[in-house]
Amino acid sequence: NAGVTQTPKFQVLKTGQSMTLQCAQDMNHEYMSWYRQDPGMGLRLIHYSVGAGITDQGEVPNGYNVSRSTTEDFPLRLLSAAPSQTSVYFCASYRGDGYTFGSGTRLTVV
Amino acid sequence: AQKVTQAQTEISVVEKEDVTLDCVYETRDTTYYLFWYKQPPSGELVFLIRRNSFDEQNEISGRYSWNFQKSTSSFNFTITASQVVDSAVYFCALLGAGSYQLTFGKGTKLSVIP
Repeated sequence: NAGVTQTPKFQVLKTGQSMTLQCAQDMNHEYMSWYRQDPGMGLRLIHYSVGAGITDQGEVPNGYNVSRSTTEDFPLRLLSAAPSQTSVYFCASYRGDGYTFGSGTRLTVV
Repeated sequence: AQKVTQAQTEISVVEKEDVTLDCVYETRDTTYYLFWYKQPPSGELVFLIRRNSFDEQNEISGRYSWNFQKSTSSFNFTITASQVVDSAVYFCALLGAGSYQLTFGKGTKLSVIP
């Protein structure tokens, strides 16, 4: 049982490049979400999904897109990376008894 | 709107000292859940505890204890006889019933000095 798997663990992008952060869970959780963590800011919600085909914005959605075609996968897309998107990104899935977080992706945009 | 405040940005203690991390929350929900997570230097988020708003009993797990007081909207975390391995960032978080969105505090960085 892998839980929540995020790839890659580290990534360096140039300004304007695009990329997709992958997130997969094998727990059949309906709810999945993406957070970003910045120094002194805690974790802030970017986007979330309550099931396949359903997504919605969180607190800081600008510059990010998501889709949810299957229960297992919830990728986060950066269409045109900006230095302000340098952060650590966490994917999470949720069932009634609590959250499971992935190990994080450290993204640097130069 | 929900809000979690961790007023202590950084705390340093000498090993074997006791330390309390404060967490104050705001919510209009009558049913909610409170969490504590630990983030060691390796970066992963480690679940420590979940507390239901209807259960105000304090909880103890080894050297860790939690004090939940609805009257003051606080959910404080105490580490007894701190150890170097306790050095980490600790996050308090709130989840409203019927919501999926976890609201985090900004975290408290604890440094335990040998």
